[in-house]
Amino acid sequence: QLQLQESGPGLVKPSETLSLTCTVSGGSISSNNNFWGWIRQPPGKGLEWIGSIYYSGSTYYNPSLKSRVTISEDTSKNQFSLKLTSVTAADTAVYYCARQRSNWNYPAWFDPWGQGTLVTVSS
Amino acid sequence: EIVLTQSPGTLSLSPGERVTLSCRASQSVSSSYLAWYQQKPGQAPRLLIYHASSRATGIPDRFSGSGSGTDFTLTISRLEPEDFAVYYCQQYGSSSLTFGGGTKVEIK
Repeated sequence: QLQLQESGPGLVKPSETLSLTCTVSGGSISSNNNFWGWIRQPPGKGLEWIGSIYYSGSTYYNPSLKSRVTISEDTSKNQFSLKLTSVTAADTAVYYCARQRSNWNYPAWFDPWGQGTLVTVSS
Repeated sequence: EIVLTQSPGTLSLSPGERVTLSCRASQSVSSSYLAWYQQKPGQAPRLLIYHASSRATGIPDRFSGSGSGTDFTLTISRLEPEDFAVYYCQQYGSSSLTFGGGTKVEIK
């Protein structure tokens, strides 16, 4: 059974870089036809897609965050990571990682999801 | 960017009732590339439906999805106590993925 687990600092200072890692177990991130994605949810609000990385390494980002986001993968550790630069209080959210199915080589639906990790941006 | 609008924002219903949730897109979602998720408090979202009408593995058949173009619907034929939650739609018809704002189904 595929499982994902987010890890990283729960508190980040304004203007600094948020870094999170998603560790995948029960399957390989190098397997064909899978994307690996990041989604966030501010407290009490809805879901926002951040970006996705294909098993081949190609990436897709939310245009509203693209200038600040980098998603990468480490196949040797079966992990993928998120970096979000120049954070502000508006980036405070629960951050989820998830597997995504590929739909004609584009990222599609998310399943399963990690449990999520709360990241607070505050000095 | 395709904007998804879910309505209503909140529904107050009783167990056993039938519920229909709406997700409307600002432009046509190609090939019905739309998914539905359920989220309970303190939990991650769970995939219910993909390709507008295909049930995910392990999802009870009281959940069904339909629609095409700009109008999509999630129907729960008979509400069970565990179905009270927030429901989100998500489109993947473009390379910029978007979610709807969610509909909360609460106990009346």
